[in-house]
Amino acid sequence: GAVVSQHPSWVICKSGTSVKIECRSLDFQATTMFWYRQFPKQSLMLMATSNEGSKATYEQGVEKDKFLINHASLTLSTLTVTSAHPEDSSFYICTYRGPNEKLFFGSGTQLSVL
Amino acid sequence: LAKTTQPISMDSYEGQEVNITCSHNNIATNDYITWYQQFPSQGPRFIIQGYKTKVTNEVASLFIPADRKSSTLSLPRVSLSDTAVYYCLVDGSGNTGKLIFGQGTTLQVKP
Repeated sequence: GAVVSQHPSWVICKSGTSVKIECRSLDFQATTMFWYRQFPKQSLMLMATSNEGSKATYEQGVEKDKFLINHASLTLSTLTVTSAHPEDSSFYICTYRGPNEKLFFGSGTQLSVL
Repeated sequence: LAKTTQPISMDSYEGQEVNITCSHNNIATNDYITWYQQFPSQGPRFIIQGYKTKVTNEVASLFIPADRKSSTLSLPRVSLSDTAVYYCLVDGSGNTGKLIFGQGTTLQVKP
Protein backbone atom coordinates (compact mmCIF):
# COMPACT_ATOMS: atom_id res chain seq x y z
CA GLY A 1 0.00 0.00 0.00
CA ALA A 2 0.88 3.65 -0.24
CA VAL A 3 3.50 4.74 2.23
CA VAL A 4 4.60 8.10 3.54
CA SER A 5 8.01 8.42 5.09
CA GLN A 6 8.54 11.21 7.60
CA HIS A 7 11.77 11.92 9.39
CA PRO A 8 13.25 12.51 11.76
CA SER A 9 10.85 10.78 14.12
CA TRP A 10 12.12 12.91 16.93
CA VAL A 11 14.50 15.80 17.30
CA ILE A 12 15.85 17.84 20.18
CA CYS A 13 17.32 21.23 19.45
CA LYS A 14 18.47 24.35 21.20
CA SER A 15 16.36 27.45 21.22
CA GLY A 16 17.11 29.68 18.26
CA THR A 17 18.15 26.92 15.89
CA SER A 18 16.25 25.71 12.85
CA VAL A 19 14.90 22.24 12.28
CA LYS A 20 13.87 20.63 9.00
CA ILE A 21 11.30 17.87 8.81
CA GLU A 22 11.09 15.85 5.63
CA CYS A 23 8.12 14.00 4.26
CA ARG A 24 8.19 11.69 1.25
CA SER A 25 5.54 9.69 -0.50
CA LEU A 26 7.32 6.50 -1.45
CA ASP A 27 5.14 4.94 -4.10
CA PHE A 28 2.72 7.55 -5.30
CA GLN A 29 2.67 11.12 -6.45
CA ALA A 30 0.50 13.68 -4.77
CA THR A 31 -0.35 17.24 -5.61
CA THR A 32 -1.84 18.17 -2.24
CA MET A 33 -0.48 17.75 1.20
CA PHE A 34 -1.16 19.06 4.68
CA TRP A 35 1.01 19.80 7.69
CA TYR A 36 -0.40 19.45 11.18
CA ARG A 37 0.91 19.94 14.66
CA GLN A 38 -0.44 18.29 17.72
CA PHE A 39 0.03 19.25 21.34
CA PRO A 40 -0.33 16.65 24.10
CA LYS A 41 -3.87 15.35 24.50
CA GLN A 42 -5.16 17.60 21.74
CA SER A 43 -6.37 17.01 18.21
CA LEU A 44 -4.40 17.63 15.05
CA MET A 45 -4.27 21.31 14.22
CA LEU A 46 -3.91 22.21 10.57
CA MET A 47 -0.94 24.46 9.95
CA ALA A 48 -0.94 24.74 6.18
CA THR A 49 -2.16 23.25 2.95
CA SER A 50 0.29 22.87 0.13
CA ASN A 51 -0.19 22.16 -3.54
CA GLU A 52 2.80 21.13 -5.61
CA GLY A 53 4.39 24.01 -7.42
CA SER A 54 2.57 26.73 -5.53
CA LYS A 55 2.97 28.51 -2.24
CA ALA A 56 1.47 26.96 0.83
CA THR A 57 -1.71 28.35 2.33
CA TYR A 58 -1.23 28.90 6.02
CA GLU A 59 -3.91 28.81 8.67
CA GLN A 60 -4.64 31.86 10.74
CA GLY A 61 -2.15 32.20 13.53
CA VAL A 62 0.57 30.16 11.83
CA GLU A 63 3.55 32.31 10.89
CA LYS A 64 4.61 31.55 7.35
CA ASP A 65 8.08 33.02 7.92
CA LYS A 66 8.61 30.78 10.90
CA PHE A 67 7.23 27.55 9.46
CA LEU A 68 8.68 27.30 5.98
CA ILE A 69 7.02 24.76 3.75
CA ASN A 70 8.59 23.59 0.53
CA HIS A 71 6.55 21.34 -1.74
CA ALA A 72 8.78 21.36 -4.75
CA SER A 73 7.94 17.93 -6.10
CA LEU A 74 5.09 15.47 -6.13
CA THR A 75 6.86 13.19 -3.69
CA LEU A 76 8.78 15.45 -1.32
CA SER A 77 7.77 18.17 1.08
CA THR A 78 9.68 19.79 3.90
CA LEU A 79 8.71 21.83 6.92
CA THR A 80 11.42 23.99 8.43
CA VAL A 81 10.87 25.45 11.86
CA THR A 82 13.08 28.51 11.91
CA SER A 83 14.52 29.95 15.09
CA ALA A 84 12.69 27.39 17.16
CA HIS A 85 11.58 28.24 20.68
CA PRO A 86 10.25 26.03 23.48
CA GLU A 87 6.66 26.89 22.57
CA ASP A 88 7.26 25.26 19.17
CA SER A 89 7.77 21.93 20.87
CA SER A 90 5.06 19.73 19.46
CA PHE A 91 4.30 16.67 17.36
CA TYR A 92 4.31 17.49 13.64
CA ILE A 93 2.53 15.30 11.11
CA CYS A 94 2.53 15.46 7.33
CA THR A 95 -0.34 14.15 5.26
CA TYR A 96 -0.51 13.44 1.57
CA ARG A 97 -3.63 13.18 -0.52
CA GLY A 98 -2.84 10.17 -2.62
CA PRO A 99 -4.53 7.87 -5.13
CA ASN A 100 -8.31 7.95 -5.16
CA GLU A 101 -8.21 11.04 -2.95
CA LYS A 102 -7.26 8.95 0.06
CA LEU A 103 -5.15 10.43 2.84
CA PHE A 104 -1.81 9.01 3.88
CA PHE A 105 -0.18 10.17 7.08
CA GLY A 106 3.43 10.34 8.04
CA SER A 107 4.51 8.77 11.29
CA GLY A 108 5.08 12.15 12.88
CA THR A 109 8.03 14.10 14.27
CA GLN A 110 8.32 14.94 17.94
CA LEU A 111 10.15 18.24 18.26
CA SER A 112 11.55 19.28 21.61
CA VAL A 113 13.13 22.71 21.86
CA LEU A 114 15.31 23.30 24.90
CA LEU B 1 -16.41 22.41 5.54
CA ALA B 2 -18.42 19.84 7.42
CA LYS B 3 -17.67 20.13 11.12
CA THR B 4 -17.62 16.94 13.12
CA THR B 5 -18.63 16.36 16.72
CA GLN B 6 -17.72 13.29 18.75
CA PRO B 7 -17.79 12.35 22.41
CA ILE B 8 -14.53 13.36 24.04
CA SER B 9 -14.00 10.04 25.75
CA MET B 10 -15.41 6.56 26.19
CA ASP B 11 -14.59 3.65 28.45
CA SER B 12 -15.06 0.00 27.67
CA TYR B 13 -13.95 -3.42 28.79
CA GLU B 14 -12.11 -6.08 26.88
CA GLY B 15 -14.36 -8.20 24.71
CA GLN B 16 -17.15 -5.65 24.46
CA GLU B 17 -18.43 -4.02 21.33
CA VAL B 18 -17.78 -0.28 21.17
CA ASN B 19 -19.81 2.16 19.12
CA ILE B 20 -18.54 5.70 18.60
CA THR B 21 -20.87 8.15 16.93
CA CYS B 22 -19.85 11.22 15.00
CA SER B 23 -22.18 14.06 14.01
CA HIS B 24 -21.63 15.90 10.75
CA ASN B 25 -24.80 17.85 10.11
CA ASN B 26 -23.38 19.92 7.26
CA ILE B 27 -22.03 17.05 5.20
CA ALA B 28 -22.05 17.78 1.48
CA THR B 29 -23.25 15.52 -1.29
CA ASN B 30 -19.76 14.65 -2.46
CA ASP B 31 -18.32 14.15 1.03
CA TYR B 32 -17.36 10.73 2.31
CA ILE B 33 -16.69 9.72 5.90
CA THR B 34 -13.45 8.23 7.09
CA TRP B 35 -12.40 7.07 10.54
CA TYR B 36 -8.85 7.06 11.80
CA GLN B 37 -7.12 5.64 14.84
CA GLN B 38 -4.20 7.34 16.51
CA PHE B 39 -1.83 6.05 19.15
CA PRO B 40 0.41 8.40 21.13
CA SER B 41 3.33 9.78 19.15
CA GLN B 42 2.14 8.18 15.91
CA GLY B 43 0.39 9.43 12.84
CA PRO B 44 -3.30 8.57 12.35
CA ARG B 45 -4.04 5.20 10.83
CA PHE B 46 -6.91 4.51 8.43
CA ILE B 47 -9.66 2.30 9.83
CA ILE B 48 -12.65 2.48 7.51
CA GLN B 49 -14.37 4.70 4.99
CA GLY B 50 -17.92 4.95 3.71
CA TYR B 51 -20.42 7.07 1.87
CA LYS B 52 -23.77 5.63 2.94
CA THR B 53 -25.41 2.60 4.55
CA LYS B 54 -23.01 0.08 6.01
CA VAL B 55 -19.41 -0.77 5.36
CA THR B 56 -17.50 -3.58 7.03
CA ASN B 57 -13.88 -4.61 6.92
CA GLU B 58 -11.70 -6.89 8.96
CA VAL B 59 -11.40 -4.50 11.89
CA ALA B 60 -14.58 -2.42 12.06
CA SER B 61 -17.99 -1.57 10.72
CA LEU B 62 -19.29 1.82 9.75
CA PHE B 63 -22.96 2.65 9.87
CA ILE B 64 -24.26 5.70 8.04
CA PRO B 65 -27.98 6.57 8.11
CA ALA B 66 -29.84 7.73 5.06
CA ASP B 67 -29.51 11.43 5.89
CA ARG B 68 -25.73 10.99 6.37
CA LYS B 69 -25.68 13.55 9.16
CA SER B 70 -24.01 11.13 11.49
CA SER B 71 -21.98 7.96 11.38
CA THR B 72 -21.14 5.25 13.87
CA LEU B 73 -17.90 3.35 14.07
CA SER B 74 -18.38 -0.09 15.56
CA LEU B 75 -15.43 -2.00 16.98
CA PRO B 76 -16.31 -5.61 17.77
CA ARG B 77 -14.80 -7.25 20.84
CA VAL B 78 -12.24 -4.61 21.72
CA SER B 79 -8.95 -5.45 23.33
CA LEU B 80 -6.52 -3.40 25.38
CA SER B 81 -4.60 -2.56 22.23
CA ASP B 82 -7.63 -0.69 20.89
CA THR B 83 -7.05 2.03 23.47
CA ALA B 84 -6.45 5.04 21.27
CA VAL B 85 -7.96 8.24 19.94
CA TYR B 86 -10.49 7.84 17.14
CA TYR B 87 -11.25 10.58 14.67
CA CYS B 88 -14.00 10.84 12.09
CA LEU B 89 -13.20 12.99 9.12
CA VAL B 90 -15.55 14.29 6.47
CA ASP B 91 -13.80 14.92 3.21
CA GLY B 92 -15.07 15.64 -0.27
CA SER B 93 -13.95 13.88 -3.39
CA GLY B 94 -11.67 16.20 -5.27
CA ASN B 95 -11.28 18.44 -2.27
CA THR B 96 -7.99 20.27 -2.37
CA GLY B 97 -8.98 22.67 0.37
CA LYS B 98 -8.58 22.51 4.10
CA LEU B 99 -8.76 19.26 6.01
CA ILE B 100 -9.88 19.91 9.56
CA PHE B 101 -9.89 17.35 12.32
CA GLY B 102 -12.42 17.37 15.10
CA GLN B 103 -11.54 16.73 18.70
CA GLY B 104 -11.59 12.94 18.43
CA THR B 105 -12.76 10.34 20.93
CA THR B 106 -10.35 8.86 23.42
CA LEU B 107 -11.28 5.23 23.93
CA GLN B 108 -9.97 3.57 27.06
CA VAL B 109 -10.29 -0.20 27.12
CA LYS B 110 -10.01 -1.73 30.56
CA PRO B 111 -9.15 -5.32 31.44
